[in-house]
Amino acid sequence: QSALTQPPSASGSPGQSVTISCTGTSSDVGGYNYVSWYQQHPGKAPKLMIYEVSKRPSGVPDRFSGSKSGNTASLTVSGLQAEDEADYYCSSYAGSNNVFGTGTKVTVL
Amino acid sequence: QVQLVQSGAEVKKPGASVKVSCKASGYTFTSYGISWVRQAPGQGLEWMGWISAYNGNTNYAQKLQGRVTMTTDTSTSTAYMELRSLRSDDTAVYYCARVASRYDSSGYLDYWGQGTLVTVSS
Repeated sequence: QSALTQPPSASGSPGQSVTISCTGTSSDVGGYNYVSWYQQHPGKAPKLMIYEVSKRPSGVPDRFSGSKSGNTASLTVSGLQAEDEADYYCSSYAGSNNVFGTGTKVTVL
Repeated sequence: QVQLVQSGAEVKKPGASVKVSCKASGYTFTSYGISWVRQAPGQGLEWMGWISAYNGNTNYAQKLQGRVTMTTDTSTSTAYMELRSLRSDDTAVYYCARVASRYDSSGYLDYWGQGTLVTVSS
């Protein structure tokens, strides 16, 4: 199972929006509504930010939103804040297994 | 509150085995699954597999088939991941995470352990 494709980096100024893409195939992203997104700060465990494509867990700011079209899922962070600077990973169910994206480093300028 | 507490760091020689534990608390252990995810130094996340704490069913990543075994002890709400025939490229931080499904690995990973560093070196 190949990793899902994400851009290596993305950036924006405070208050701006940034969108991260996550491209897979019809066997993973395109085949199931089980895409989730995780935020990871250096030296810390990942944190769930979005699940089932567009749902937000309790406590995650509504600045974070998710969507999917075909084989590509997206995470949008609106109103960027300094604490949003982190690595972001998508993940998708793929039948009998799961696969993570390659990761995107978000920098707040 | 939900907590997953993992065992401490390990140093192993190539060819050896390692067994990492993940003790759960704050929820009904058998109502969920546990996934294991690893992260090599400076690299991304890699899904290793999943076990249902409900019925013990497992799914393993194809590249680890034959080298990894995931088990649970429901009496102590603890999950275990054993990796055998260790190689230098198995050096990584290993995470356990609660899976929001007890029937398959489709669920999201909503709570994570703190991570366990496994170093493989001669």
